[in-house]
Amino acid sequence: NAGVTQTPKFQVLKTGQSMTLQCAQDMNHNSMYWYRQDPGMGLRLIYYSASEGTTDKGEVPNGYNVSRLNKREFSLRLESAAPSQTSVYFCAIASVTYEQYFGPGTRLTVT
Amino acid sequence: GENVEQHPSTLSVQEGDSAVIKCTYSDSASNYFPWYKQELGKGPQLIIDIRSNVGEKKDQRIAVTLNKTAKHFSLHITETQPEDSAVYFCAASRWDSNYQLIWGAGTKLIIKP
Repeated sequence: NAGVTQTPKFQVLKTGQSMTLQCAQDMNHNSMYWYRQDPGMGLRLIYYSASEGTTDKGEVPNGYNVSRLNKREFSLRLESAAPSQTSVYFCAIASVTYEQYFGPGTRLTVT
Repeated sequence: GENVEQHPSTLSVQEGDSAVIKCTYSDSASNYFPWYKQELGKGPQLIIDIRSNVGEKKDQRIAVTLNKTAKHFSLHITETQPEDSAVYFCAASRWDSNYQLIWGAGTKLIIKP
């Protein structure tokens, strides 16, 4: 997971609260991604950013917003958290040859 | 859209034996197929990948094979060791989707001592 950091590592929210998950990279890659992983399942893409200033929806964008303020940082925001958003969230970056590298994850529980 | 199926969901092998995990994909335009290893409490780690212009790729004890006609690809781990115990994911993507990965559901590999 070197090169990709995520904060916080753990978070508990109440239904309706908001929060922002932060992701930063030091590998100077253009592409960044946000995934969620639910128990016993593969990862599902929430949003991605092919370059600074651009973002696109993935497979499960509803309930989330993202910001790519600069090349290093890509944040994921939950405006009004719901129990269905309880999950582990991973940020990833991709090299120019498209290999993706993942951060350590944020474990979010919404009660 | 693309769909990736992965089998088996759990695989238990004796230490030293080989393990094989198989994935099938539905989109014939997919051209990039990575494999990831995920240890408990950690993010997925890329262990090997293959592109559609290649049929097989090896890296020490790990190999991946691709059959484009049948639309399936497999991960082979030889001489398994305790540290190979983890969840393994396959994925598929295509160049015109910004290489968005579509993931299999994962295989829990258990190495018995």
